[in-house]
Amino acid sequence: DVKVTQSSRYLVKRTGEKVFLECVQDMDHENMFWYRQDPGLGLRLIYFSYDVKMKEKGDIPEGYSVSREKKERFSLILESASTNQTSMYLCASSKGLTDTGEQYFGPGTRLTVT
Amino acid sequence: DAKTTQPTSMDCAEGRAANLPCNHSTISGNEYVYWYRQIHSQGPQYIIHGLKNNETNEMASLIITEDRKSSTLILPHATLRDTAVYYCIAALNSGYSTLTFGKGTMLLVSP
Repeated sequence: DVKVTQSSRYLVKRTGEKVFLECVQDMDHENMFWYRQDPGLGLRLIYFSYDVKMKEKGDIPEGYSVSREKKERFSLILESASTNQTSMYLCASSKGLTDTGEQYFGPGTRLTVT
Repeated sequence: DAKTTQPTSMDCAEGRAANLPCNHSTISGNEYVYWYRQIHSQGPQYIIHGLKNNETNEMASLIITEDRKSSTLILPHATLRDTAVYYCIAALNSGYSTLTFGKGTMLLVSP
């Protein structure tokens, strides 16, 4: 089974802090994705990556950056956390460029910024 | 990606088949139909996808109409653990395509 793990299940940070959310997949997948999920707004794509050191902006990249130094790891960075970034963050991976839609998700990190 | 339309909510009795409809009348010829579900407080889970032909796996069956304008996800014997939000998504399966999740259908399976 594909396993996608996220570094924390719950996280509380203060406004202005730099926040790192880590995601690791163990199936040698090429593609990795970061989403956020908010009530009434559904899942929205923040950033994605189709290869090491590659990144592409999703629908809502403002206020976020990402890093993919190794194939199995994709990090989401909040340079200066703000209260409107309080959300559930979900990481996903998929096999490659010929199988982009079959994504496997991690359990999510519920981030609260106070 | 083509827009999809799903009912907001549905009910199903435990042990009965759950049939979840999805309309995707503007789907393009190379877009697939994907189904995911999200159980409360968990990440979404991939269920099944198809292009033209009906598909079946250990979780569900996917029936796509001949004109591809709609589809139905069938859970043959729903259990309480199938209570979740079900998302129908039309998307390409290659290149740099991404998934756009809508609001989905909240399926409540009752005893």
